Amino acid sequence: DAGVTQSPTHLIKTRGQQVTLRCSPKSGHDTVSWYQQALGQGPQFIFQYYEEEERQRGNFPDRFSGHQFPNYSSELNVNALLLGDSALYLCASSLRTGVSYEQYFGPGTRLTVT
Amino acid sequence: GQSLEQPSEVTAVEGAIVQINCTYQTSGFYGLSWYQQHDGGAPTFLSYNALDGLEETGRFSSFLSRSDSYGYLLLQELQMKDSASYFCAVRSLSGNTPLVFGKGTRLSVIA
Repeated sequence: DAGVTQSPTHLIKTRGQQVTLRCSPKSGHDTVSWYQQALGQGPQFIFQYYEEEERQRGNFPDRFSGHQFPNYSSELNVNALLLGDSALYLCASSLRTGVSYEQYFGPGTRLTVT
Repeated sequence: GQSLEQPSEVTAVEGAIVQINCTYQTSGFYGLSWYQQHDGGAPTFLSYNALDGLEETGRFSSFLSRSDSYGYLLLQELQMKDSASYFCAVRSLSGNTPLVFGKGTRLSVIA
């Protein structure tokens, strides 16, 4: 049973650039949520996708956007990168009809903005 | 808004028992979850409490008091591998986030 996978593992970008992160949910899951985790902090919710639409969004600017594909995989795009965007980006999957308190997280993508 | 408070660091001896507390402020509360995260790893789900009382899963137990907006995670027979960060997370009816996480408690288990 494949768990949540994310790519790439690490990424270094320069201020002002754009980045795309990818996530494949756990087998059988249809809902993908993205979180940003700064060093020493808890994960902060960015947005959630279900049926290829953004369903919920946290307190993040429009520079953060996403997409979900028919196979339930998802992308997170960040435009005009800022130094403060440096963080671990986590993808979590769940079942829409299930309970949202148990989310399965991927290993994350470590983004460094210089 | 929603907020959670938990201690930033806890140190305990191998074989001992440790309790990590979490207090929260939120409206329309659904339940309290606990996640474990090892350095460089992904958060993994440990437990969930929707009702008052104690839930036990092996060496780990979690407690909730809705009237006190308080919960805790209890780890028994501590092992070195339990050294990790532990996050409480609230699922609430209000707001627009599936889960709101605390800042985490870093547990160090020493010999």
